[in-house]
Amino acid sequence: QKEVEQNSGPLSVPEGAIASLNCTYSDRGSQSFFWYRQYSGKSPELIMSIYSNGDKEDGRFTAQLNKASQYVSLLIRDSQPSDSATYLCAVGIGGSYIPTFGRGTSLIVHP
Amino acid sequence: DGGITQSPKYLFRKEGQNVTLSCEQNLNHDAMYWYRQDPGQGLRLIYYSQIVNDFQKGDIAEGYSVSREKKESFPLTVTSAQKNPTAFYLCASSKWDGRDQPQHFGDGTRLSIL
Repeated sequence: QKEVEQNSGPLSVPEGAIASLNCTYSDRGSQSFFWYRQYSGKSPELIMSIYSNGDKEDGRFTAQLNKASQYVSLLIRDSQPSDSATYLCAVGIGGSYIPTFGRGTSLIVHP
Repeated sequence: DGGITQSPKYLFRKEGQNVTLSCEQNLNHDAMYWYRQDPGQGLRLIYYSQIVNDFQKGDIAEGYSVSREKKESFPLTVTSAQKNPTAFYLCASSKWDGRDQPQHFGDGTRLSIL
């Protein structure tokens, strides 16, 4: 059984701070990792994909992957109230085309 | 613009009624998926299809049916056998090229019981 674990939160950070969202997974064969943002009442939207160990940056977002420790994280720099949402982590084992989703972490950025 | 269109946005089901949720994509994606999301819960996979005229059950297929007659379309029918259908239903699609590809989601359909 493939498992993807996220702290449900809420994670509360002040505006301008760095928000750090973490995700751990159970399958050592996992090869693909995705972060989605989901605003309340809306559908998930893709933020980042990462496939290799290390950091991947896109604007204010940085995804960090450590396959040896089986975790992937998402850092949001200069957090804004508009970043307040639930962040879903999804992990694929390669070839399955069906990533497993975590339950998501709720982020609240307060002014 | 390419994207995934789900309709209707809101749907109400009467007791004993079957209802069909529409999902159309113009992204030229091979794979399509249906998920169910309950409040405070993650996404649960209902059905998926990687090719026309073929589909597979996900984790919670009981009480649901699908068809994939065209690459662009993957409708979901919620049958009367699904006793607790109230949820947010999400359709997604992705490329299928031998490598895990991210899924792209439609805006969802919110289904409620009358």
